[in-house]
Amino acid sequence: ETGVTQSPTHLIKTRGQQVTLRCSSQSGHNTVSWYQQALGQGPQFIFQYYREEENGRGNFPPRFSGLQFPNYSSELNVNALELDDSALYLCASSLTAYTEAFFGQGTRLTVV
Amino acid sequence: AQSVTQPDIHITVSEGASLELRCNYSYGATPYLFWYVQSPGQGLQLLLKYFSGDTLVQGIKGFEAEFKRSQSSFNLRKPSVHWSDAAEYFCAVGGGGTGFQKLVFGTGTRLLVSP
Repeated sequence: ETGVTQSPTHLIKTRGQQVTLRCSSQSGHNTVSWYQQALGQGPQFIFQYYREEENGRGNFPPRFSGLQFPNYSSELNVNALELDDSALYLCASSLTAYTEAFFGQGTRLTVV
Repeated sequence: AQSVTQPDIHITVSEGASLELRCNYSYGATPYLFWYVQSPGQGLQLLLKYFSGDTLVQGIKGFEAEFKRSQSSFNLRKPSVHWSDAAEYFCAVGGGGTGFQKLVFGTGTRLLVSP
């Protein structure tokens, strides 16, 4: 059984640019959530997708957007990057919206 | 609003000694509670979860946690720590609006294991 995989593992972007992060959910999982983890902090919930629809969002501005595809993989898009967007971005998948979440290894984004 | 407090930023334990990591939560209904472990530069691994039922839950790697509703606590314990347990530990509470669950995490406790 394949776990949650994320790509890329690291990337560096310039302030003002746009970035797309990708996540493949665990087999059979139809729910994907994204979290931002700043250095020295716990993860913060960005949003959740269930069967291709966004069904919950945290306190993040609209320049954070996402997609979920029919195979339940997902993308996180961030526009107009700011220095404070530098963080580890974690994707988690779960069997349903109310079962435990399994996390990928994360994408480390550095904005310069 | 949900919140999680992990009062200990760092804890140092001797190898072979027992461990208890503290977690207090605030949540309006019956919470879903989780402990995750994170090694440097890595994602989060689920150690154990509490949804309902028996308040003492067993997890992987010899960890257990006890849900105490009266104290709003979900402390993580291990009877004998191994050097490989050194990592960051996060407590999380689950909940949210209808149809979705967001996890609210504490700020983490870094466990150091001394020889």
